[in-house]
This record gives sequence, C-alpha cells and structure tokens, in this order.
Amino acid sequence: EPEVTQTPSHQVTQMGQEVILRCVPISNHLYFYWYRQILGQKVEFLVSFYNNEISEKSEIFDDQFSVERPDGSNFTLKIRSTKLEDSAMYFCASSEAARGRGYTFGSGTRLTVV
Amino acid sequence: SQKIEQNSEALNIQEGKTATLTCNYTNYSPAYLQWYRQDPGRGPVFLLLIRENEKEKRKERLKVTFDTTLKQSLFHITASQPADSATYLCALDIHNTGKLIFGQGTTLQVKP
Repeated sequence: EPEVTQTPSHQVTQMGQEVILRCVPISNHLYFYWYRQILGQKVEFLVSFYNNEISEKSEIFDDQFSVERPDGSNFTLKIRSTKLEDSAMYFCASSEAARGRGYTFGSGTRLTVV
Repeated sequence: SQKIEQNSEALNIQEGKTATLTCNYTNYSPAYLQWYRQDPGRGPVFLLLIRENEKEKRKERLKVTFDTTLKQSLFHITASQPADSATYLCALDIHNTGKLIFGQGTTLQVKP
C-alpha cells in the first residue's frame, strides 16, 4: 500500500536554529498538508498546499514557517528560528482530493528544541 | 465557541465485545466526518469517512453513524480484538475549508 514517507524520524535542534522537515507524499495525490501534535494534545492543522501554493494556513503557521515543493516528489516544512514551544510531532499528509477523501499521514518527525 | 469533544477517559472492554466511541461537536457545520486510528508515536491512519447526508457507514467490523441534528458521531468496533487497542480520533472536514479539525481522541484498550 502506498505510504507517505517522512525524514528524519527524530530531530534535535538548538533554539534559534533552522530545521527542514521532509516528506514524500503519495505520487498521485495532489493535496498536501502539515499537521503537528504537541505531546498529549490534539493533532493541529498547520497548512495545506495545492498546485504549488498554500491554499490555507492556521494561526500557528506564522512567518517562521514556510513550505515548499522543490521538485516533483518532495514536500518540505521549514521552521526558520525554532522556539522551545515548536517541540512536537510533525505529520505530513496527502490526499487525492480536497474534500471527501481520507488523508494518508506519514509516521511523523519528532522535533525536540533544546 | 467551537468545540469537538471525544471522551477523554480510556475505554476498557473485553475481547469480543462491541466498543462504542463518541464524538460530539458544537458550532461547526461539517461536510464530512472522518475517523482515524493512532498508535503511540505514529501518524493517524484513516479508517472511515461519512458525509453529512449519510446516516451510517460500515467497513468490515467498523460502523460509523452521523447525526447532524444531535451533532454527534458514534464509532463502533464489533467483535473487538486486543489488536484494536489504540487511540481513535474523529476529525471534522468543514465546509469551505481545506483542513481537518481533530478531537483529542479516545484510547481503547481491549483485554483478552
């Protein structure tokens, strides 16, 4: 069964450093997403991406965050100047359609900011 | 205010019984409601989706109901097995947005 692949699985970074989280969505999917889950809390929406542009973003997704699809397969989330409160699991997801389809999530990147 | 609530207490049941999980929401108008399974340290796995004009959906041992008047969805696992032990998340797919709003999840423990 097709999978969404995320790398790295764990990332430890110092506060103020930049990190890039990488994702390879399912090849025939057109809609891509980043969600995050702080330990013990809900899964929260960050951003959706379609046709090489952001279609929606949450209040969390401020100027320190950016997304990119640098080639035909990768989808990245960059956090420019990490803060302690950015520590969380970050999940990439993709879907065939904008509505009415389940999402396929990756296994996540555990980001720890120290 | 807008809320989506799942029972935060863990649900413990005996193998072979039916597990019923509840998802309630207020001040949302979802076009679809989705259920996911999440294992510790893993991403959510899609299970079922039900549309606002559907009352019930089934897939193997899983059944979902959706009552837009009560603003509630029930998720049933029949003939439960220890392998069904996980956290189950409901998620609302809201009209005119491109995102899912997740509940906090209910942890199910099925004992042999």
